[in-house]
Amino acid sequence: QDLLAQSGAEVKKPGASVKVSCKASGDTFKTYGISWVRQAPGQGLEWMGWISGYNGNTHYAQKFQGRLTMTTDTSTSTAFMELRSLRSDDTAFYYCARCAGRTNWFDPWGQGTLVTVSS
Amino acid sequence: QSVLTQPPSVSGAPGQRVTISCTGSSSNIGAGFNVHWYQQLPGSAPTLLIYANDNRPSGVPDRFSGSKSGASASLAITGLQAEDEADYYCQSYDTRLSGSEVFGGGTRLTVV
Repeated sequence: QDLLAQSGAEVKKPGASVKVSCKASGDTFKTYGISWVRQAPGQGLEWMGWISGYNGNTHYAQKFQGRLTMTTDTSTSTAFMELRSLRSDDTAFYYCARCAGRTNWFDPWGQGTLVTVSS
Repeated sequence: QSVLTQPPSVSGAPGQRVTISCTGSSSNIGAGFNVHWYQQLPGSAPTLLIYANDNRPSGVPDRFSGSKSGASASLAITGLQAEDEADYYCQSYDTRLSGSEVFGGGTRLTVV
């Protein structure tokens, strides 16, 4: 069973950027895509976007277009999510999750990375 | 305001059966897109519970089942156990806004 291991918690000031990593175990990275989902404290799940592990194609939720960038490093089976111009309402747990493609389910999930935006 | 509508909470006694509904529209579930369900235990990341409407990943007890009809889906849990107390989320795909994955607002299950 492949696992996803995310980078550690971050504290950022408003206006800054954050980059979260998600490293996949196993050798199936190029077979799947990675979606990023966030969850504000006490709130529900919000899909942010998807990146193909095969060719790096991306699809972002309209809400984040312009300040979200997803990338991959296939040599280390790692996906990255960078969010810019952070605001206080970006404070959330950020999860990566493997998916076979758009419209597919998410499995497995990373353990989550808490990003706190505070002055 | 979530695209998929779930009841905020449900409850049941140990051993009972509960269902959680997930209501969508013609741009998502009603358009034929699959529904997936996740369980999120307190303090943990979500885990896949049901995929493609009614399929259980290996390791998920058969007490959990999913169904879909029209623009709605349901998750049923039979033989309720204390360890089932968690948040449950449905997920599907929506064709609006250039296409995106969408979640329900989540349902908190309490085992009383």
